[in-house]
Amino acid sequence: AQKITQTQPGMFVQEKEAVTLDCTYDTSDQSYGLFWYKQPSSGEMIFLIYQGSYDEQNATEGRYSLNFQKARKSANLVISASQLGDSAMYFCAMREDPYNQGGKLIFGQGTELSVKP
Amino acid sequence: DGGITQSPKYLFRKEGQNVTLSCEQNLNHDAMYWYRQDPGQGLRLIYYSQIVNDFQKGDIAEGYSVSREKKESFPLTVTSAQKNPTAFYLCASSIDLTGFWEETQYFGPGTRLLVL
Repeated sequence: AQKITQTQPGMFVQEKEAVTLDCTYDTSDQSYGLFWYKQPSSGEMIFLIYQGSYDEQNATEGRYSLNFQKARKSANLVISASQLGDSAMYFCAMREDPYNQGGKLIFGQGTELSVKP
Repeated sequence: DGGITQSPKYLFRKEGQNVTLSCEQNLNHDAMYWYRQDPGQGLRLIYYSQIVNDFQKGDIAEGYSVSREKKESFPLTVTSAQKNPTAFYLCASSIDLTGFWEETQYFGPGTRLLVL
């Protein structure tokens, strides 16, 4: 079963507008961590933002924020004021049970974001 | 500058050949990981290592082998048993993540493997 689901294969956004990238997850653990990564065309994965399952506030990092709805098991990434350099693949990932799995991350299939001038 | 290097950037494999992908880090991280990425897909874990001379299989270890003789190095060998090796391979490292939820993994630039 898919543990991380990203239902938007591709998204377009106008420069300077905000965009939301969807991520839903499936876990029976009470404790887990959620991550978003950006992958430009060069291929390197760049860490953007982290949300812990017990964090009461939504995480924010500059223009990135995470809309965390625990009961719905969703962790959507919001990018404000989109820039041309934001065009890339975006991956949602989850870490379960780090005590037994060495920090293993489970990735979704990604969303390709294109920012239009 | 601290970081992760992977070489080569592109690698070509002939039928029946074993090839080795290099991954080196100077971040003093204990844990290292190998992921495979197929077009339009997310990353899947091949192997990981939390300490020198020890490593664990990930979700898709068949047809691959690794070694961890030094803290800085975690080479991946794609053996002839891997029938569909064409993919993008990413190496990552982190502090030992046992018990730490929020620490991220840092990724190298990747190696693209193509079969001739």
